[in-house]
Parts: sequence; C-alpha cells; structure tokens
Amino acid sequence: DQQVKQNSPSLSVQEGRISILNCDYTNSMFDYFLWYKKYPAEGPTFLISISSIKDKNEDGRFTVFLNKSAKHLSLHIVPSQPGDSAVYFCAAAEGGSEKLVFGKGTKLTVNP
Amino acid sequence: KAGVTQTPRYLIKTRGQQVTLSCSPISGHRSVSWYQQTPGQGLQFLFEYFSETQRNKGNFPGRFSGRQFSNSRSEMNVSTLELGDSALYLCASSLELAVSYEQYFGPGTRLTVT
Repeated sequence: DQQVKQNSPSLSVQEGRISILNCDYTNSMFDYFLWYKKYPAEGPTFLISISSIKDKNEDGRFTVFLNKSAKHLSLHIVPSQPGDSAVYFCAAAEGGSEKLVFGKGTKLTVNP
Repeated sequence: KAGVTQTPRYLIKTRGQQVTLSCSPISGHRSVSWYQQTPGQGLQFLFEYFSETQRNKGNFPGRFSGRQFSNSRSEMNVSTLELGDSALYLCASSLELAVSYEQYFGPGTRLTVT
C-alpha cells in the first residue's frame, strides 16, 4: 500500500503563475514532511520541509502547507519560473527514523 | 564541501550476475541510506546504515545487502540479478540523528540488467 500519494503525475503552468503540488498520506505516525526536486540524470535535491507541529513553512518562492486532519500537504511555488520545471517528490518520515517514504512524483512544466 | 558521490554511474549486467555499488557520503555525514527508483514504483527505501550498523531495512529480498565502512563510505550488493532489478540506485547521506530528516542525494547509479 502506498503511504504517500501524489495523485497528479504532471502539472503544467505559465511562467509567473502559481504552481500547487499536492500530496496525501495515510500514516498518522509521520511527523516530518519534505519536498524534493529532481532533474533528469541527477539525484533528488532537498527543497523545503515542515514538521507536524507546524502548518506552514516558507522559504523564498516556496511555501509548504500541512493539514494534519486531512493528512494532506501542498507545495506552492510563486511565481513559477521555467527553471522550476522538474519532477517534485513529496516524502515523509516517522519518529526519528532516517527512512523516507516517497510519493511517485509530479512532473512540473513551467512554460515561458 | 563535496556532495555525495556514487560509482559507477552506469552499469550493465546480465541476469544471474551480482553487482556492487559504492557511495561516498558528504564529509561529516555518518548516516547513509539507499533507495531504488523505478518508473512504476518511484523511490523505494532499501536500507540505512549508521556507524557501520544497519538501522533500517525496507521490503526488499535478501539478495539486496549493504555495508558501511568506518569512514562512512557504503556499498550495496545485489546478488543473482533479475531483469526487474534494472533501476536507478540512489544513495543519500545525512548528519546523525538529523532533526530535520534532510537527506542529500548522490546522482545515482543506473543499473541495467539484460
């Protein structure tokens, strides 16, 4: 069973607009959530994270929102830039474990 | 500071053979994790090592094994290769007991089994 789900395999937005990537999870023991970005032929790069004690974390153009009751998190990118085009993975961790559980990714394309 | 390095970057093996992949973590990082990425399953956790001890293991058969050396470098081994083992194998390192769970990934080793 998939504990972390990214239901949209792809997303296309115009440059300058907002990109919203969504992620759902089923394991209530997850207490930390991360977003990674991956370009072809490279390993994933850490983007932003959020602890379960918070509902929002912001870093420049990137904001992650966490809704624990809905077991849902989202990544907002504002404004979107063509260089943001990549595959975005949502990941979750539980109780001090280094094991990250990943979603299958959403491919974001930002059109100039 | 140098990033996570993985060797080799590409590998072609035949069914039934075995393979060893290597990972050098970021200097000072003592935790090393391995993941398998395939188009159908996404990124799946294989195992994690800290101070030469395996602390976590994913749901993979015993053909997949690993080890960590005293300098934190890690290797993973896959024996009796199957076609389904074709994947990108990613290594990630992190500071010990990282509060933020941030892991830093290498570029991966692309394994093709024919």
